[in-house]
Amino acid sequence: ETGVTQSPTHLIKTRGQQVTLRCSSQSGHNTVSWYQQALGQGPQFIFQYYREEENGRGNFPPRFSGLQFPNYSSELNVNALELDDSALYLCASSLAGPGGYEQYFGPGTRLTVT
Amino acid sequence: RKEVEQDPGPFNVPEGATVAFNCTYSNSASQSFFWYRQDCRKEPKLLMSVYSSGNEDGRFTAQLNRASQYISLLIRDSKLSDSATYLCVVDQALHSGAGSYQLTFGKGTKLSVIP
Repeated sequence: ETGVTQSPTHLIKTRGQQVTLRCSSQSGHNTVSWYQQALGQGPQFIFQYYREEENGRGNFPPRFSGLQFPNYSSELNVNALELDDSALYLCASSLAGPGGYEQYFGPGTRLTVT
Repeated sequence: RKEVEQDPGPFNVPEGATVAFNCTYSNSASQSFFWYRQDCRKEPKLLMSVYSSGNEDGRFTAQLNRASQYISLLIRDSKLSDSATYLCVVDQALHSGAGSYQLTFGKGTKLSVIP
């Protein structure tokens, strides 16, 4: 196992609601990346957090936001949920810097928006 | 051109067969390349990193051709347990530096190994 944990495992929300997903990174890792995986697709990069700041962002609107805490755990917040937000949300932890390219994924949170 | 393109699949092969997956990428600045394996409704798991001209790990061999921007994965002596979706993954440096990278995934190729 990677040591990366996510909560909750499953979530059902209604369109327009807000959701917070949580991730604890692997021990020793200082960087957390979030990905969205729709059915039948590969994961798509949402953003990355390093030293409690957003370190890069993919093509996702501002209603997707995040936080990283001093212990390197992280949250993903999505406001004004849309039906297309239904997906598996994955966080991955890594160690920034030379040789730290490998990312290890948590089990994901499956979000259903109705 | 899509950033990472893979064989569409699915691949259905008998046990013991050799199967090869191909992948091309568009970002010539990419430095690191990976194959991840994803079982149904599970998270992707790192199978192999491909850093130079290729590497081998048991029955798995990954090759990289930077000039052609092409990556491959060869699985020899396929086992039933190899059935999964194989994701070709390429890194892209984030502008903020600090040695941080995002991963760009292909859509994946589904492999079914049949008894």
